[in-house]
Amino acid sequence: EPEVTQTPSHQVTQMGQEVILRCVPISNHLYFYWYRQILGQKVEFLVSFYNNEISEKSEIFDDQFSVERPDGSNFTLKIRSTKLEDSAMYFCASSRENYGYTFGSGTRLTVV
Amino acid sequence: GENVEQHPSTLSVQEGDSAVIKCTYSDSASNYFPWYKQELGKRPQLIIDIRSNVGEKKDQRIAVTLNKTAKHFSLHITETQPEDSAVYFCAARDSGNTPLVFGKGTRLSVIA
Repeated sequence: EPEVTQTPSHQVTQMGQEVILRCVPISNHLYFYWYRQILGQKVEFLVSFYNNEISEKSEIFDDQFSVERPDGSNFTLKIRSTKLEDSAMYFCASSRENYGYTFGSGTRLTVV
Repeated sequence: GENVEQHPSTLSVQEGDSAVIKCTYSDSASNYFPWYKQELGKRPQLIIDIRSNVGEKKDQRIAVTLNKTAKHFSLHITETQPEDSAVYFCAARDSGNTPLVFGKGTRLSVIA
C-alpha cells in the first residue's frame, strides 16, 4: 500500500533556529497538507497545497512558516526562528481528491 | 469556519461490548466525515468515512451514521477487542477544497 514518507522522524533544535521538515506524498496525489499535534491534543490544520500553491492556511500558519514543493516529489515545511511552543508532532498528509487523506508517520519536533 | 465537537473524551468498555463516539459539526455545508484511529505514537489512520449523500455506512465491526438535520455523526464499534484501544478522531470538511477539521479525540480503552 502506498505511503506518505516523512523525514526526519525526530528533530531537536535550539530555540531561534530554522528547521525544514520533509515529506514525500503518494505519487498520484494532488492535494498536500501539513497538520500538527501538540502532545495529547487534537490534530490541527496548518496549510493545504494544491496546484503548486497554498490553497488554505490556518491562523497558526503565520510568517514563521512556509511550504515548498521544490521538485515533483518532495513537499517541505520550513519553520523559521523556532519557539518552544512549536514543539509538536508534525504530520504531512496527501490525497488524490480532497477526500481520504493519508497521513505520514510524522516528525516529532522538540525545541529546546 | 467549521467547528467539530467530539464526545466523550475518554471511553472504557469491556471486551465484546459496543462503543459509540459522537461528533457534532457546525457548518451545514459540510459533506465529508471521516474517522481516524491513532495508536500511541503513530499516525492517524483512516478507518471509515461517510459522505453526506448517505445516512449509514458499515465495514465489518465498524459503522458510521450521519444525521444531517441535527448535524451530528457517530462511530459505532461492535464486539470490541483490546486492539481497538486507541484514540479516535472524527473530522468534517466544508464543501469545496477546504481542509479537514478534527475533533479533540476520544481515548477508547477496551478492557479484556
